[in-house]
Amino acid sequence: DTGVSQDPRHKITKRGQNVTFRCDPISEHNRLYWYRQTLGQGPEFLTYFQNEAQLEKSRLLSDRFSAERPKGSFSTLEIQRTEQGDSAMYLCASSLLAGGGLETQYFGPGTRLLVL
Amino acid sequence: AQKVTQAQTEISVVEKEDVTLDCVYETRDTTYYLFWYKQPPSGELVFLIRRNSFDEQNEISGRYSWNFQKSTSSFNFTITASQVVDSAVYFCALIATGTASKLTFGTGTRLQVTL
Repeated sequence: DTGVSQDPRHKITKRGQNVTFRCDPISEHNRLYWYRQTLGQGPEFLTYFQNEAQLEKSRLLSDRFSAERPKGSFSTLEIQRTEQGDSAMYLCASSLLAGGGLETQYFGPGTRLLVL
Repeated sequence: AQKVTQAQTEISVVEKEDVTLDCVYETRDTTYYLFWYKQPPSGELVFLIRRNSFDEQNEISGRYSWNFQKSTSSFNFTITASQVVDSAVYFCALIATGTASKLTFGTGTRLQVTL
């Protein structure tokens, strides 16, 4: 399977704990996106990378959130001092930006976070 | 700012019925892209189609068809002869140029197909 993979698929944590999620994009995709989806809503953009550079962050991404993509391949999303409002599905997507035109984003299965 | 509205929260149909999922979008950009994704219970968003704002030609792919009308800012999705496997949440989404390829999603329409 060469699609986008995410780990873990589910995470339960206590309020105040730190959590880290990993995303492995489709091989050779140079763009990687993070989205958050709460129950009954569509995904909302959080941040994205082109290669290892983080090019944009949503204002939804508070100071407790940090994302990295150190070698331009996999990415991690860390949430510090989790709050119950952080409970959501965290989705990763990747795409290949090549030449002109718009690329299509392909999504992973998501990491479902529950903060108790 | 961009906005996508999917007014139908949930639709239930019996297998083999045709069903249309509505999508209305708002953007000030003249160049934009529209998408449909399917989200089955497993959670993964599955890409179905994308359309750019300069191409209003309707498209058919098997039992799926899409009707893009700029005059009404709509990009509707029809499933012909629905099947139980079509049961999922369907999202319409928009990317406007200059928004760094950020997808703006609607709230989704849950489609339930029963026997």
